[in-house]
Amino acid sequence: AQSVAQPEDQVNVAEGNPLTVKCTYSVSGNPYLFWYVQYPNRGLQFLLKYITGDNLVKGSYGFEAEFNKSQTSFHLKKPSALVSDSALYFCAAPRGTYGGSQGNLIFGKGTKLSVKP
Amino acid sequence: KAGVTQTPRYLIKTRGQQVTLSCSPISGHRSVSWYQQTPGQGLQFLFEYFSETQRNKGNFPGRFSGRQFSNSRSEMNVSTLELGDSALYLCASSRSTGLVNEQFFGPGTRLTVL
Repeated sequence: AQSVAQPEDQVNVAEGNPLTVKCTYSVSGNPYLFWYVQYPNRGLQFLLKYITGDNLVKGSYGFEAEFNKSQTSFHLKKPSALVSDSALYFCAAPRGTYGGSQGNLIFGKGTKLSVKP
Repeated sequence: KAGVTQTPRYLIKTRGQQVTLSCSPISGHRSVSWYQQTPGQGLQFLFEYFSETQRNKGNFPGRFSGRQFSNSRSEMNVSTLELGDSALYLCASSRSTGLVNEQFFGPGTRLTVL
């Protein structure tokens, strides 16, 4: 069965420092991986996705993610954190491998990112 | 381009009642999915609709149902509400059902069951 895991419930970073939010995956077939962010009382916003090709994916708001097949990881990164980056971050993958639909996403449990001034 | 809209934003119901939530996808998007978000279980997939047909269904009891209209708008219904149904219900739309299409989420409907 497809699964994604986020090993950290919370990540604390000082403003201006680099941040990493971790995600590992277990999928069969080609991995398609996504990162979403959720601000308080809001829905999820798409940040970036990995489909194929370059292992470093660039996304919205200065975020990027590094796909590592050997470590089955897809960590979210940002070189310099902002206080406004404080939010809940979700890693996700489609439940289907072929013939399945995008709508059927499985999510990690989420990582709360806290950026302090 | 308008985003995904969900109505109502907040609902308070009592046990045993039923509720209907509405979702309007982004114009041109034909796939609509519903998710339940709770602190304990996280984000769980409810069902997905494409062209008025339910394509996938998550592991929820039959009290949870949905439908999609010809204009791609979708509704979900929960009958005989239980306390455990209190959650944020999120709707998401995408252009199609391809595995690589990102989903766009609405702000959610916060349902509280008393």
